[in-house]
Amino acid sequence: SSELTQDPAVSVALGQTVRITCQGDSLRSYYASWYQQKPGQAPVLVIYGKNNRPSGIPDRFSGSSSGNTASLTITGAQAEDEADYYCNSRDSSVVFGGGTKLTVL
Amino acid sequence: QVQLQESGPGLVKPSQTLSLTCTVSGGSISSGGYYWSWIRQHPGKGLEWIGYIYYSGSTYYNPSLKSRVTISVDTSKNQFSLKLSSVTAADTAVYYCAREWGYCSSTSCLGWFDPWGQGTLVTVSS
Repeated sequence: SSELTQDPAVSVALGQTVRITCQGDSLRSYYASWYQQKPGQAPVLVIYGKNNRPSGIPDRFSGSSSGNTASLTITGAQAEDEADYYCNSRDSSVVFGGGTKLTVL
Repeated sequence: QVQLQESGPGLVKPSQTLSLTCTVSGGSISSGGYYWSWIRQHPGKGLEWIGYIYYSGSTYYNPSLKSRVTISVDTSKNQFSLKLSSVTAADTAVYYCAREWGYCSSTSCLGWFDPWGQGTLVTVSS
């Protein structure tokens, strides 16, 4: 079965840059999409495709991909970016990563 | 803009069938190219895709849940629905509906879920 692996937790100092990674074989042929989820709220799409941001998502969010690894980068992290982040991909089925809890210090 | 809203009982007894409906507003569920999905999140855990339906009625389910899941669509009401049979406490979760879109080029594919409903907590308990 397909799997996507994320680090469970990452921290970043306010205003610094952080990269959240997602690994899986499906990412060699399928771009990841990334979702931000704050407590008690539904996930929100932040990045899709090669590096596309939906309307309303700040440009400090960016995405990249290399081989079997997709990355979400937040350049100049803000306090409001503290949240869980999930990657998503697909091969034989739709799969989500286990999520990364981002703490902004 | 398209909005999704889940509705249904918040409490279901073990062995019974969980039934939820997602109402789509601001757009037609019959718009081609979109897949209408159900996703759940166990308390304190990550996201689990349940399955999707195309407006034509074709479906695809998570293999781990396939034997218990039925997703249907009612284009006249602009709704799609989830039925999960023989529920246990392990099915207690927040259930989300979401719209998925995607496409493939010659070298790669991409897809994404947007928007999502606000989610509804379903508790399985006697």
